[in-house]
Amino acid sequence: GAVVSQHPSWVICKSGTSVKIECRSLDFQATTMFWYRQFPKQSLMLMATSNEGSKATYEQGVEKDKFLINHASLTLSTLTVTSAHPEDSSFYICSARYGYTFGSGTRLTVV
Amino acid sequence: GENVEQHPSTLSVQEGDSAVIKCTYSDSASNYFPWYKQELGKRPQLIIDIRSNVGEKKDQRIAVTLNKTAKHFSLHITETQPEDSAVYFCAASGRGGATNKLIFGTGTLLAVQP
Repeated sequence: GAVVSQHPSWVICKSGTSVKIECRSLDFQATTMFWYRQFPKQSLMLMATSNEGSKATYEQGVEKDKFLINHASLTLSTLTVTSAHPEDSSFYICSARYGYTFGSGTRLTVV
Repeated sequence: GENVEQHPSTLSVQEGDSAVIKCTYSDSASNYFPWYKQELGKRPQLIIDIRSNVGEKKDQRIAVTLNKTAKHFSLHITETQPEDSAVYFCAASGRGGATNKLIFGTGTLLAVQP
């Protein structure tokens, strides 16, 4: 139980375009979803906390207009990287149930 | 906000030896301390966790200890095996409280030499 499905698993996009990443809770209702970013050989850095039906809470230094988070239902949270640049290339991963379960991650490469 | 420090950053042990990874946290409101194992390119997997009302927890070869007064907690792996090789992360959270964010430590690369 407590499975989070994350898509896509990897994506390559051109600089300046937007990319949407989805995390779906398959067998439970996720009222809260955490979004992390992980650069190679580094730790998971919390970007934001999304709460169903309300605005996401962003960590200091994370641009909320660049990383749009939507949590419109109890089973779906999305992260949209807008106007992506090469420095946004990273591993993005969501987590639900306060860290009990993680999505499989999305490897974003911006060229 | 919460800050979690983790040591060592790399750890090499011989198969069968024990491995210990230590973490300290800053926020006394944190009450939940999970440990994760992450293999290259994969998602973190929860391997053990401990809550603030418990001082020690064990699951087969893995144990975690918590010292709330000193605000540090440790992961102990006994009888290490090559398949234990991975990056291990500690984390801290004020789960259920006002600050429920899960903040990760910097990670420890464990290498178990056969």
